Amino acid sequence: DGGITQSPKYLFRKEGQNVTLSCEQNLNHDAMYWYRQDPGQGLRLIYYSQIVNDFQKGDIAEGYSVSREKKESFPLTVTSAQKNPTAFYLCASKGTGPYEQYFGPGTRLTVT
Amino acid sequence: AQKVTQAQTEISVVEKEDVTLDCVYETRDTTYYLFWYKQPPSGELVFLIRRNSFDEQNEISGRYSWNFQKSTSSFNFTITASQVVDSAVYFCALSRRDSSYKLIFGSGTRLLVRP
Repeated sequence: DGGITQSPKYLFRKEGQNVTLSCEQNLNHDAMYWYRQDPGQGLRLIYYSQIVNDFQKGDIAEGYSVSREKKESFPLTVTSAQKNPTAFYLCASKGTGPYEQYFGPGTRLTVT
Repeated sequence: AQKVTQAQTEISVVEKEDVTLDCVYETRDTTYYLFWYKQPPSGELVFLIRRNSFDEQNEISGRYSWNFQKSTSSFNFTITASQVVDSAVYFCALSRRDSSYKLIFGSGTRLLVRP
């Protein structure tokens, strides 16, 4: 079945450690996105990529990094520079054009 | 600047009641796109509908219907004869017609349907 997978579903880290969240899609979509969701709030865009080897900062990119070496994969690294990393992270992908984004199941990151 | 406002933080209804979720948006663009997503307790966002700014036709899909009015910058969502399975957080979102098509989300409305 086509879709987006994110792993792991729950992730726990100590403060000061970098952590990488996985996002894979087999929808053959060119565009991929990372969003962050905090309790009681909407989603905010961290990074997006419209094509392999290219990505752009979103609204809250500070403390995060990404790579796009393959069309199917768009991993997000939460660095120790991110001041408040505990959140729910959602990955999405979209076909070319003004179409809807499809979301993965999300990764809930807790940093203590 | 673009903005989406969902003023209703939480709504509670009894099963079989009709319920309308409000969405008001702000944009200076003439071409834009509006979306509704459902987020059940599992957390994954489920796409419900996309509407283009040049298409003001209302849409009905089963128990769901959407009312798009450019004159009031609103894109409201109605669930008819609500069911317990409709309990979720619902997000309205706006996208520009640019290279990113990134989504700008409202803060969401939590709907609780009680049996």
